[in-house]
Amino acid sequence: DAGVIQSPRHEVTEMGQEVTLRCKPISGHNSLFWYRQTMMRGLELLIYFNNNVPIDDSGMPEDRFSAKMPNASFSTLKIQPSEPRDSAVYFCASRPTRPGELFFGEGSRLTVL
Amino acid sequence: AQSVAQPEDQVNVAEGNPLTVKCTYSVSGNPYLFWYVQYPNRGLQFLLKYITGDNLVKGSYGFEAEFNKSQTSFHLKKPSALVSDSALYFCAVRDVTGGGNKLTFGTGTQLKVEL
Repeated sequence: DAGVIQSPRHEVTEMGQEVTLRCKPISGHNSLFWYRQTMMRGLELLIYFNNNVPIDDSGMPEDRFSAKMPNASFSTLKIQPSEPRDSAVYFCASRPTRPGELFFGEGSRLTVL
Repeated sequence: AQSVAQPEDQVNVAEGNPLTVKCTYSVSGNPYLFWYVQYPNRGLQFLLKYITGDNLVKGSYGFEAEFNKSQTSFHLKKPSALVSDSALYFCAVRDVTGGGNKLTFGTGTQLKVEL
């Protein structure tokens, strides 16, 4: 099992640029989560999907953030335009059908200059 | 809303000594509780969970946790700490607020095990 795969692992960009983070969940998992980790705010849930449908996006900071899950094996988190305060590590996690633990990817470290 | 609290930002312990990382919870209904570990520049790894059953839950790497309903606690323990256990530990609770099914994490506790 390859685990949850995220790309890129590191991204450095300039303020105002568009950023797209990608996630491939574990095959057979039907829930997918996007979290953001910062020193100041800890781990924050941004959005999660069940069966490719967004269930709760109340954690998405503002309209600059958007997430999609076009199929069961792929999701994107887009920031447009990016700002320095978006600098963080973004984690994707997936979960199988049973109400159990999440499996996390290695994260995408975003730096916005 | 469901929540967990980790009262200690950092815990220091000598190698070979027992360790405890504290977590208290606030939920309505039956709690589903989890512990995760994060090593530097890595994702979170699942250690153990409590859903129902025995109050003492055994997990990965020799860790265990004790569910205490009267004290609303779910402390992580290990009988003999290793230097390699040094990492950031997160407690989490299943949050079903609004009909959802997500995990809400605590603020994390940095564990430092020294020789």
